[in-house]
Amino acid sequence: NAGVTQTPKFQVLKTGQSMTLQCAQDMNHEYMSWYRQDPGMGLRLIHYSVGAGITDQGEVPNGYNVSRSTTEDFPLRLLSAAPSQTSVYFCASWRGANSPLHFGNGTRLTVT
Amino acid sequence: AQSVSQHNHHVILSEAASLELGCNYSYGGTVNLFWYVQYPGQHLQLLLKYFSGDPLVKGIKGFEAEFIKSKFSFNLRKPSVQWSDTAEYFCAVGRRDDKIIFGKGTRLHILP
Repeated sequence: NAGVTQTPKFQVLKTGQSMTLQCAQDMNHEYMSWYRQDPGMGLRLIHYSVGAGITDQGEVPNGYNVSRSTTEDFPLRLLSAAPSQTSVYFCASWRGANSPLHFGNGTRLTVT
Repeated sequence: AQSVSQHNHHVILSEAASLELGCNYSYGGTVNLFWYVQYPGQHLQLLLKYFSGDPLVKGIKGFEAEFIKSKFSFNLRKPSVQWSDTAEYFCAVGRRDDKIIFGKGTRLHILP
C-alpha cells in the first residue's frame, strides 16, 4: 500500500500565485486533514474532512480552500499565495473511531 | 476552544537520563490521546496512543505515557534515553470521530 501520498514535495511560488497541493490515500479512510508545520508552532490544523462531501475549518483556515469529492482525495488550494504561507504542509488520514493518523511525507512550500 | 499545551519547548538530557515530557489538554468529553515523534528530516510517526482502558500505555522504543483524567494530562516518559531519541515530540488530542489537534512540540536533544 502507498498509504498517504502528497505531491509535490517542494514548491516555490510568487506572491499572488495560486496552486493546489494534492493528497491521496488508498486505505479507504473516512477522515482526512491538512496541517501546516512551522518552527515553534507545532502542527496547526488547516481544514479537515470526516467523509466525502464534508469539510470543516481547523485552527488556521484563512487563505486555504479544500474539497472532498471522493474518499481518496483531499486537495488543498491556495488561491492567492502570501509569504506567510511559507511552511511545510502535511496531509493525514485516519479511520476515525479511535484510530491514529497516517501522515504523508509533506510538501515544503516557499512563497517569495 | 480545544487546545493542547506542551510545557517543555526544548529539553537537553544526557544519555541514560530519565525523560518526562508534559502534555495538558483542554477538551471536553471523552478524548483520544497520542504522542508522535518526528526525527530530523522525516515525517511524524506514532509513538503511542490512548483510547480507553488502562491509563498507563506503552509504545514503541521503550516509551510510555500516563493518562490522568483529573489533571487533563498525558505525559510521556522513558526511563533511560538514548542518543537516537533526539527528535521532536508532539502530543495530540482528539475526540472520537472529530478533528485531532497538536501541541507545539518539544525538541529533545540527547547528549552522547
